[in-house]
Amino acid sequence: EAQLLESGGGLVQPGGSLRLSCSASGFNFKNYAMNWVRQAPGRGLEWVATISDDGGRTTFADAVKGRFVISRDNSKDSLYLQLNSLRPEDTALYYCTKSRSSSWSPDASNIWGQGTRVTVSS
Amino acid sequence: EIHMTQSPSFVSASVGDTVTITCRASQDIRNWLAWYQQKPEKAPKPLIYTAASSESGVPSRFSGSGSGTDFTLTISFLQPEDSATYFCQQADSFPVTFGGGTKVEIK
Repeated sequence: EAQLLESGGGLVQPGGSLRLSCSASGFNFKNYAMNWVRQAPGRGLEWVATISDDGGRTTFADAVKGRFVISRDNSKDSLYLQLNSLRPEDTALYYCTKSRSSSWSPDASNIWGQGTRVTVSS
Repeated sequence: EIHMTQSPSFVSASVGDTVTITCRASQDIRNWLAWYQQKPEKAPKPLIYTAASSESGVPSRFSGSGSGTDFTLTISFLQPEDSATYFCQQADSFPVTFGGGTKVEIK
């Protein structure tokens, strides 16, 4: 069974940094683009970033561009999100998701992790 | 950026009813639309991709339709376990965007 497991969330002060990790299992991780999607408390879903299957291409939401970095290690079946210069509005549950295809294009997510919570507060 | 508008934001219906949720894109997204179901304190569950294709294991009472700018998620013969919030998502172009959600309540 394909699964994603996020970790690394926590409480951080404004301006601080955090690194989220997502461990994949049950599918050929290196063959798929991957994404981060977040959900602020009581709010809807917001796409954060996407990385291509080989890690060579990335794209970000304007709200996080220049502050967040998405990366992956296909040898470890792992996805990462480095969160820098954090703001209170970055407070959310961060989900790791698998794109349905390997192509470098926007896609539906057919596997979601359970999420890791990030709280930015002084 | 493509804006996705869902309606209604809330619907209350009885077991056995048919519920229709609409998602409208601010520009043509062809058939690049997905639907998700989210229950409280749970991750979204994929239901539909490319507007009308069902994910594996999704009950047949869930169906999607539409193309271009107007899309519909239909829940036929509503069941108690269908109480949830439903989101649409466009996958035509970056940035990926989601609709605001529709909460379905069982009377």
